[in-house]
Parts: sequence; structure tokens; C-alpha cells
Amino acid sequence: NAGVTQTPKFQVLKTGQSMTLQCAQDMNHEYMSWYRQDPGMGLRLIHYSVGAGITDQGEVPNGYNVSRSTTEDFPLRLLSAAPSQTSVYFCASRYTSGNINEQFFGPGTRLTVL
Amino acid sequence: QQQVKQSPQSLIVQKGGISIINCAYENTAFDYFPWYQQFPGKGPALLIAIRPDVSEKKEGRFTISFNKSAKQFSLHIMDSQPGDSATYFCAAPDTGGFKTIFGAGTRLFVKA
Repeated sequence: NAGVTQTPKFQVLKTGQSMTLQCAQDMNHEYMSWYRQDPGMGLRLIHYSVGAGITDQGEVPNGYNVSRSTTEDFPLRLLSAAPSQTSVYFCASRYTSGNINEQFFGPGTRLTVL
Repeated sequence: QQQVKQSPQSLIVQKGGISIINCAYENTAFDYFPWYQQFPGKGPALLIAIRPDVSEKKEGRFTISFNKSAKQFSLHIMDSQPGDSATYFCAAPDTGGFKTIFGAGTRLFVKA
């Protein structure tokens, strides 16, 4: 199993540009989510999905879109990049039921917006 | 929405010492209390977790203590080692159970 994979690892954008961060998992997890990590702010939830075709907003959804057309993939779209979106982005997945709902994280994408 | 408050923000411990990180939550409607460990340049990974029907869980040098009445749980790292130097996050499910809300993190540095 590859687990949770993310591409790209690094990205530099100019203000106003758009891009898509890719996330895929091969563990057949129903739940997938996107977090951003900023110094002193911990991990903040952007969007999440409990299954194909179902998405919902997290704590900081503004400026981001998501879709979930398959169980495996959960891309995050930045519509018009802003310097405030400079951050490290993590995708995570887990089962929605069970005794321990361990989240599995990808390696992250480090995004810089100039 | 669930609020998770983690302390301290940073911690320096001598090799062999005990590291203690605390987490306080607001909402009682959940059933799973994990701690995640993150090394630089990596994604977080589950370290240890506890359910609220027990007050303590131990795995090797790592122990979670849970105080339901105080709405707090803590991570204890016994015999701390330089390899334990990392950022630690506590987390808790939100009211609906689907969102996982993380604490702000604690940067631990173990001096050799």
C-alpha cells in the first residue's frame, strides 16, 4: 500500500494564480480531509469528505474548493492564490467507523504564494 | 465547534527525563482521544490514543492519562530520548463526530 500520496511536494505561485493539490489514498477509506499547517496554529481543517460525492467545510474553507468523484481521490483547488495561503497542506484519510479512527496523513505540500 | 487547547507550546527536557503535554477540550460528545507525532518535513502520525471508558493507557514509554471530569487528557513520555524530539498534537472529534480538531501543537526538544 502506498497509503496517502500528495503531489506536488513543493509549489510556488504568484498572487491570483490557481492550482490543484492532488491527494490519493489506496486504503479504501471513506473519510478524507485537507488541513493546513501554519506556525503556532496547529492543523486547521479546510474541507472534508465522508464519501464519494459528499463534501463539507471545515474551519478555514474560504478560498478553497474540493470535490470527491471517487473514493480514492480528493483534490484541493485554490481558486485565486493569495499570500495568506502560503502554508503546508496535508491530506488525511481514515475509516468512518471502528474503535480507533486513526487518521493517516500524506507527506504534505509546501506552498508559497508570492 | 469543538475547541482543543494544548500546552505548553514548547518544551525542553533532558535525556532520561519525563515530558508532559496537556490537552483540554470543551465538548463531551466524543469517544476518542489521540496524540499525533510529527517529525520535521513529515506528516503527523498516530502515536497513541485512548477511549474515555479508561483513565490511562500505556504503550512502551508513552502514556495517556484521561480526566473526564476535568475535560483534560495528557501525554507522558517517560525516559525521554533525543529521538522523541518532534511536534506533538492532541486532537478531538467535533460535535458531529466527523471533523477532527487539532490542538496548536507542542514542540518537544530532548537534550542529549
